[in-house]
Amino acid sequence: NAGVMQNPRHLVRRRGQEARLRCSPMKGHSHVYWYRQLPEEGLKFMVYLQKENIIDESGMPKERFSAEFPKEGPSILRIQQVVRGDSAAYFCASSLRRGNEQFFGPGTRLTVL
Amino acid sequence: DQQVKQNSPSLSVQEGRISILNCDYTNSMFDYFLWYKKYPAEGPTFLISISSIKDKNEDGRFTVFLNKSAKHLSLHIVPSQPGDSAVYFCAAWRLETSGSRLTFGEGTQLTVNP
Repeated sequence: NAGVMQNPRHLVRRRGQEARLRCSPMKGHSHVYWYRQLPEEGLKFMVYLQKENIIDESGMPKERFSAEFPKEGPSILRIQQVVRGDSAAYFCASSLRRGNEQFFGPGTRLTVL
Repeated sequence: DQQVKQNSPSLSVQEGRISILNCDYTNSMFDYFLWYKKYPAEGPTFLISISSIKDKNEDGRFTVFLNKSAKHLSLHIVPSQPGDSAVYFCAAWRLETSGSRLTFGEGTQLTVNP
C-alpha cells in the first residue's frame, strides 16, 4: 500500500529553465494538495486539485506557476522560467475526500542556480 | 499574514521529561487543529488532532490542549524519547472552505537528549 510518491526527490535547474514536479497520490485518493516550504519557514498552501479540476489555486503565484491533475497519471506542478526565489521544498499531499486527513509525500527539493 | 504561529523555533529536553510545544492562532474560524511531525528529508506525518469543540485530546504519550479564548494550543509529550526529535508543525483547518487547505505554523525543532 504505497503512500504518496513524489519525483524527482531533488531537482536542480538554472534560472530561466522549467521545473516539473510530479505527485502520485495514495491509491484511491482523488484529492491532491501542493504546499511549498521556503527555508526556515512552515509549509504554505499553493493549490488544491481534484481529478481534472482545480478547486482552489489561491495560494499559487499568478505567473509562471501552473498545476494539473489529469484523469490518468500523476499531478504535475510546473514552474516556468524559474528564479532563485523558487528554491524550496515542494510537498504534495492527498486525501480520500475533501475534509479527510491529508497524507504527505516526501517532497521535491528544487534548487535554482 | 501569519495566522498560525509557533514562537519557539527550538526546544531541548531530557529523555523521560515532558516536552511542551506551543502554538497560537489568530483566525477564530478554524474548526480543527493538527500537529504534524517531520524528520529531515521526509514529508510531514500526522500526529494528533483536536476539534474546536473540545479542549483536550489524548493519544498515548501525546496530548493536545486547546484554549479557544486565548487562541492557543499546546502539544505535550510525556515521557519524551530520543526518537521524538524532529520538527513539529502546528496546523489549522476550516472544514467548510472550498480549499480544505491546511495553514501551518513555522515549526519547532524538538531535540530530546538521552
